[in-house]
Amino acid sequence: GNSVTQMEGPVTLSEEAFLTINCTYTATGYPSLFWYVQYPGEGLQLLLKATKADDKGSNKGFEATYRKETTSFHLEKGSVQVSDSAVYFCALKTGANNLFFGTGTRLTVIP
Amino acid sequence: DGGITQSPKYLFRKEGQNVTLSCEQNLNHDAMYWYRQDPGQGLRLIYYSQIVNDFQKGDIAEGYSVSREKKESFPLTVTSAQKNPTAFYLCASSPTMSRQGPIGDYGYTFGSGTRLTVV
Repeated sequence: GNSVTQMEGPVTLSEEAFLTINCTYTATGYPSLFWYVQYPGEGLQLLLKATKADDKGSNKGFEATYRKETTSFHLEKGSVQVSDSAVYFCALKTGANNLFFGTGTRLTVIP
Repeated sequence: DGGITQSPKYLFRKEGQNVTLSCEQNLNHDAMYWYRQDPGQGLRLIYYSQIVNDFQKGDIAEGYSVSREKKESFPLTVTSAQKNPTAFYLCASSPTMSRQGPIGDYGYTFGSGTRLTVV
């Protein structure tokens, strides 16, 4: 079946620190992979995506590379800001199936 | 601008009452979804609809009902049978479905959510 396993949080970093949030997946077939971000009190926003192996999704300084050999899609950012404080969700979708979400990782960036 | 609108933002329900959460989209998306989010937890799928006048149960459909009479609208009713309804409810939509599945590898567009509290 399909599942997503995310690094458990919460994660607390100082401003300008390097961020990695781990995400691994199990899927039937060849999934598309997504990272969503949820700011306090809001819905989810698509942050980036990758649709095939070795693709790199990027947006707002965040990056994630689709690694088929390790079934991973880790989220990284070189220098986090206070405004990046949010909950981050990794997700996958195969064909006509619905999106499968990880449990989310809360990031807090302190000045 | 196209988007997906949920209302109200905050909703209070008395014990034993049914309440309906609104979700409207003007993105011309065929598929719509309802998720529940509890504090510190991920998203759990309640119901989804791939086309008008058709919908399927998700993982936690008990105590909820939906309708899909129009492409743009997918209201969720939280019935008195739902014993623990206090949660954050998120509606989402995704682009046109072909017979083989979604056209393109799109994610979902989410609304800004409705926070339901039982008083």
